[in-house]
Amino acid sequence: DAGITQSPRYKITETGRQVTLMCHQTWSHSYMFWYRQDLGHGLRLIYYSAAADITDKGEVPDGYVVSRSKTENFPLTLESATRSQTSVYFCASRDRLTNEAFFGQGTRLTVV
Amino acid sequence: SQKIEQNSEALNIQEGKTATLTCNYTNYSPAYLQWYRQDPGRGPVFLLLIRENEKEKRKERLKVTFDTTLKQSLFHITASQPADSATYLCALDLGAGGTSYGKLTFGQGTILTVHP
Repeated sequence: DAGITQSPRYKITETGRQVTLMCHQTWSHSYMFWYRQDLGHGLRLIYYSAAADITDKGEVPDGYVVSRSKTENFPLTLESATRSQTSVYFCASRDRLTNEAFFGQGTRLTVV
Repeated sequence: SQKIEQNSEALNIQEGKTATLTCNYTNYSPAYLQWYRQDPGRGPVFLLLIRENEKEKRKERLKVTFDTTLKQSLFHITASQPADSATYLCALDLGAGGTSYGKLTFGQGTILTVHP
């Protein structure tokens, strides 16, 4: 199916563990993004990527690592999870022609 | 500092009325401004984009205005329906000369509730 998919949808992990959130898009969009959404803060940009092998920090990058070896995949890794990283994470890709962003369904991550 | 503010956290209106949502920004120079709708438990969905050199954009019952002097965008839903109830997010697409830098910066959103 065409679109952007995130996995897992829900994840509970322990403090200090490494966890990777997956994002896959089928359109070959150049731009991809990771946001976190928390009450009182709205959507905040963690990292973004303009193309394969090109990534850059957003507003809240600390504690996160990204990679983009293939255009269609943009995984987000929490190297050592902390409770403050409990959040809903959204991946998005962007159509350069229309400038419209397409979001995945989100991953709800709980760090205990 | 850079800031994006949406006028209120929540807006309640009666069915059939026009809902008007406000997005104000400071210390940004957006190439575009976008509006998204987000339903509970879902990702945001694109609604409209307006460029820095455009004053107004329409799509069915939706209308967006963009005033780069006031640094403000207004988002209107006419003849509102209960199905329009959702969170609406404005997003700045930074850039210059009509060219986007690529990333979107979002406001906190306004929760719109349309009562029957």
